[in-house]
Amino acid sequence: NAGVTQTPKFRVLKTGQSMTLLCAQDMNHEYMYWYRQDPGMGLRLIHYSVGEGTTAKGEVPDGYNVSRLKKQNFLLGLESAAPSQTSVYFCASSYPAGGASRSYWGEQFFGPGTRLTVL
Amino acid sequence: RKEVEQDPGPFNVPEGATVAFNCTYSNSASQSFFWYRQDCRKEPKLLMSVYSSGNEDGRFTAQLNRASQYISLLIRDSKLSDSATYLCVVPNSGNTPLVFGKGTRLSVIA
Repeated sequence: NAGVTQTPKFRVLKTGQSMTLLCAQDMNHEYMYWYRQDPGMGLRLIHYSVGEGTTAKGEVPDGYNVSRLKKQNFLLGLESAAPSQTSVYFCASSYPAGGASRSYWGEQFFGPGTRLTVL
Repeated sequence: RKEVEQDPGPFNVPEGATVAFNCTYSNSASQSFFWYRQDCRKEPKLLMSVYSSGNEDGRFTAQLNRASQYISLLIRDSKLSDSATYLCVVPNSGNTPLVFGKGTRLSVIA
């Protein structure tokens, strides 16, 4: 199994350009997440999805859109890139935990990251 | 209190030392806790899960103190390869995903 993969690994954009980051997982996980990581800020949740066709906002959703058309894929879009979006982006996936009640969030498995620079 | 707080370090310890990190959390209803390890320029990887009072795996021990709302990670007999950033992960309030601490940096020195 490949686990969680991300495409591309590196990208340089100019301000105002758009792009889509692709995350794929082959573990049949229901939940998927997009994070950004900046020095001194830790991991911050951008958007997440608890199932195919559903998405929800995280802590820092502004300037990003997501789609989950297939269970194994979670796309992150930047419509008009800004220098403040220069960051490392990580995708993750997980099962819900807590048995049938799904009462809590299980451990997350991360992709290798995408390093994005916006000039 | 913030949802999760960690001492950022860095902790610089000699090989063979025992080192402990603490992480405090604010959501008293939390049920699942995790410690992740992140190497420089790499993705976080799960180190340990903590669902009850604690968990032990070789040189690593994680403990949960619900009354004081903190979890700890103890590393015994530190190795050079333990040098990394350790992230504490706790549930958020409400029905939203886990929250990651900013991490504690550990450097094990020969």
